[in-house]
Amino acid sequence: GQNIDQPTEMTATEGAIVQINCTYQTSGFNGLFWYQQHAGEAPTFLSYNVLDGLEEKGRFSSFLSRSKGYSYLLLKELQMKDSASYLCAAMDSNYQLIWGAGTKLIIKP
Amino acid sequence: ETGVTQTPRHLVMGMTNKKSLKCEQHLGHNAMYWYKQSAKKPLELMFVYSLEERVENNSVPSRFSPECPNSSHLFLHLHTLQPEDSALYLCASSQEGGGGWEKLFFGSGTQLSVL
Repeated sequence: GQNIDQPTEMTATEGAIVQINCTYQTSGFNGLFWYQQHAGEAPTFLSYNVLDGLEEKGRFSSFLSRSKGYSYLLLKELQMKDSASYLCAAMDSNYQLIWGAGTKLIIKP
Repeated sequence: ETGVTQTPRHLVMGMTNKKSLKCEQHLGHNAMYWYKQSAKKPLELMFVYSLEERVENNSVPSRFSPECPNSSHLFLHLHTLQPEDSALYLCASSQEGGGGWEKLFFGSGTQLSVL
């Protein structure tokens, strides 16, 4: 079956770095997405990886290893506004998105 | 502001009621989606419309009925719902035909409670 695993909840300190991991098992693979969702708000697109390696966008970076079925989202210089849920989703061979349950990130001062 | 607007934001209904959720996108996209988001569970894709034609219906109970009158509007008609249908219902849009993957633009959702 197809499956995405990510931690349910993580806590980090303002100004620090946090890595949110995601492992996936899909029938074929057409890329890995990360979305951010603040409580009561719409999920918003953060990143898309289809090739191995690290993609950096300001304080956020996303990494992909296709051979390991593994991705992570790296958040640097954490700010209170980064408190949110982070959703990992893999696209299978039919271009269907398989979603994880999301990781709730709590930032403490 | 994502360019996708959903109304109402909150809805409480009894099991015998009939109600509708509305979604409007101002992005000029050609595909629209309904997702169900339950606490601590992955997003569940319910329906997909591409160029106003329904292309996906993921074994959703018939008490949920979608309608897409044009490429900018999407409705989800609800009738005789069950308490387990209580969830956040998200609408999304995307522009298909861009080469294999397209990011989704979501609305803020309708938080539905069925009593």
